Amino acid sequence: GQQVMQIPQYQHVQEGEDFTTYCNSSTTLSNIQWYKQRPGGHPVFLIQLVKSGEVKKQKRLTFQFGEAKKNSSLHITATQTTDVGTYFCALGPNAGKSTFGDGTTLTVKP
Amino acid sequence: SAVISQKPSRDICQRGTSLTIQCQVDSQVTMMFWYRQQPGQSLTLIATANQGSEATYESGFVIDKFPISRPNLTFSTLTVSNMSPEDSSIYLCSVENNSEQYFGPGTRLTVT
Repeated sequence: GQQVMQIPQYQHVQEGEDFTTYCNSSTTLSNIQWYKQRPGGHPVFLIQLVKSGEVKKQKRLTFQFGEAKKNSSLHITATQTTDVGTYFCALGPNAGKSTFGDGTTLTVKP
Repeated sequence: SAVISQKPSRDICQRGTSLTIQCQVDSQVTMMFWYRQQPGQSLTLIATANQGSEATYESGFVIDKFPISRPNLTFSTLTVSNMSPEDSSIYLCSVENNSEQYFGPGTRLTVT
């Protein structure tokens, strides 16, 4: 089945710096979703992107879907300590189930 | 949205024993999903549980090791059988609603 590669695996930033995680596929995707998992928590849905070139914003978070629908990115502007966690991109749901990338774990130094 | 609860939240078990994890959803859903998340890893789907039929297992997971029950549209159980330390993981119950995946809080299992 389809898979996605997510980079980087880890990112350490100083509070106030920006952060970006990337999700790449070798095949064209019908959609992509992003989830956040806080330390000790469970994944929480953030957003779904469907259209080629789509850009969506949630406060300091900007999500992009590539023109070819083979990649996506999540950018956080001016990180805060509340942004710590692991960010997953995911394919699907397909028949109700999702396929998750490996995730990028963000740590923020105050 | 969907609110999902799981029991137990955590457990420490001896190898060779079995643990049954319960998952309760606040609304009726056709499919429920069981994921495993090993320490520092991503989520891997174990199986899909449908009410009234046998669960569908993903590659690498078998019914004898992870028997699943789905007695009604709001409840499911996952049993981790004959446990070994390699089964130490977080087990998450999930449902899909309006293209969003909702997860329970997870069961953190440690096998000694």
